Amino acid sequence: NAGVTQTPKFRILKIGQSMTLQCTQDMNHNYMYWYRQDPGMGLKLIYYSVGAGITDKGEVPNGYNVSRSTTEDFPLRLELAAPSQTSVYFCASSRLAGLAKNIQYFGAGTRLSVL
Amino acid sequence: AQKITQTQPGMFVQEKEAVTLDCTYDTSDPSYGLFWYKQPSSGEMIFLIYQGSYDQQNATEGRYSLNFQKARKSANLVISASQLGDSAMYFCAMREGTNFGNEKLTFGTGTRLTIIP
Repeated sequence: NAGVTQTPKFRILKIGQSMTLQCTQDMNHNYMYWYRQDPGMGLKLIYYSVGAGITDKGEVPNGYNVSRSTTEDFPLRLELAAPSQTSVYFCASSRLAGLAKNIQYFGAGTRLSVL
Repeated sequence: AQKITQTQPGMFVQEKEAVTLDCTYDTSDPSYGLFWYKQPSSGEMIFLIYQGSYDQQNATEGRYSLNFQKARKSANLVISASQLGDSAMYFCAMREGTNFGNEKLTFGTGTRLTIIP
């Protein structure tokens, strides 16, 4: 059972570089999410998607872009990396939406350092 | 105001004892869901238990139970007979409302639980 898979697990970027964090899920979930977790804090929502071709901003979208061309994949793009983007990034997916019991299942995370 | 408050940054508990992790929440929406996630040192987020605002009974999942006190806006996680493998960060989270598109989970800052042998 693969669930939600994120790659890479670790990455170091220089200021101004760009990269794409990959996320794929094999549970046929419609909803997918990107969160960031700063040290000692809870997770904050960056972007989410309700299905292929539809994305929307979360709480902290600045400096990031997303796309959703397939149900399975939801990549997160950092265009001009900044030290403030040093964080752990989590991708999640969920099946049910529009109900309070919307259990989100998470990937293992990508630890990103921008130096 | 914080939507989710976890007031215990860290807790130490003897193995086999029960432990309660506190969570209070703030919302004016009558429909909401409360979630607990476990984050072990390996980093992944593991869903543990869910409580809906209209659920009549407290949620239970194996050794995990949720002490839901709606009037006090608290949703404490109770772990019975703690094990060494329970050592981890624990996050309380809330989803407000049931509208499509309002899918954000708001997380607390977490409680680090350490089980002592």
